[in-house]
Amino acid sequence: KNEVEQSPQNLTAQEGEFITINCSYSVGISALHWLQQHPGGGIVSLFMLSSGKKKHGRLIATINIQEKHSSLHITASHPRDSAVYICAVIGIQGAQKLVFGQGTRLTINP
Amino acid sequence: EPEVTQTPSHQVTQMGQEVILRCVPISNHLYFYWYRQILGQKVEFLVSFYNNEISEKSEIFDDQFSVERPDGSNFTLKIRSTKLEDSAMYFCASTSLYGYTFGSGTRLTVV
Repeated sequence: KNEVEQSPQNLTAQEGEFITINCSYSVGISALHWLQQHPGGGIVSLFMLSSGKKKHGRLIATINIQEKHSSLHITASHPRDSAVYICAVIGIQGAQKLVFGQGTRLTINP
Repeated sequence: EPEVTQTPSHQVTQMGQEVILRCVPISNHLYFYWYRQILGQKVEFLVSFYNNEISEKSEIFDDQFSVERPDGSNFTLKIRSTKLEDSAMYFCASTSLYGYTFGSGTRLTVV
């Protein structure tokens, strides 16, 4: 059974700070997703990774398959980045289902 | 950009009643899913659906749950006899080679 752990669970920072959220998982995966969940509850996919690094605007996601670890970075953080960020993995076998971490609640203060 | 559409956005039902949650996945996606999130908890997998049949289901997806794709576009989750503990946000999703697209969710409250 794949367990997905995120840290920290809560993070409060000032506008402009560099943010890092970490994700560790316990067994082999075919892909890892970083997701964003806003207060209304909707979930948006930010990245899908199977190796290396991806960048989109101020967001950067990295993954180290050997260490079973991924990070999500936000540069020049802004209050509109405040949300819950969720790491979720897809196992090697099966129907592409996601196994979710518990999420990191990020609050960026102006 | 294509969207996954879920209706209703909110539903309140009495314990023991049947509810049907509806989803319209992205048309050229192949896999469809239902997930749920109980308030304050992780998102949990319920069921995946491929080629008009269930491909995988979780322990949560017991006999009170069923899924259908009745007309080639809609994808429904039926809960036959709701319990208080079924209160949650239910998300529909579909996948392509490029990843997941989630619907905006249905908040189900069982009273």
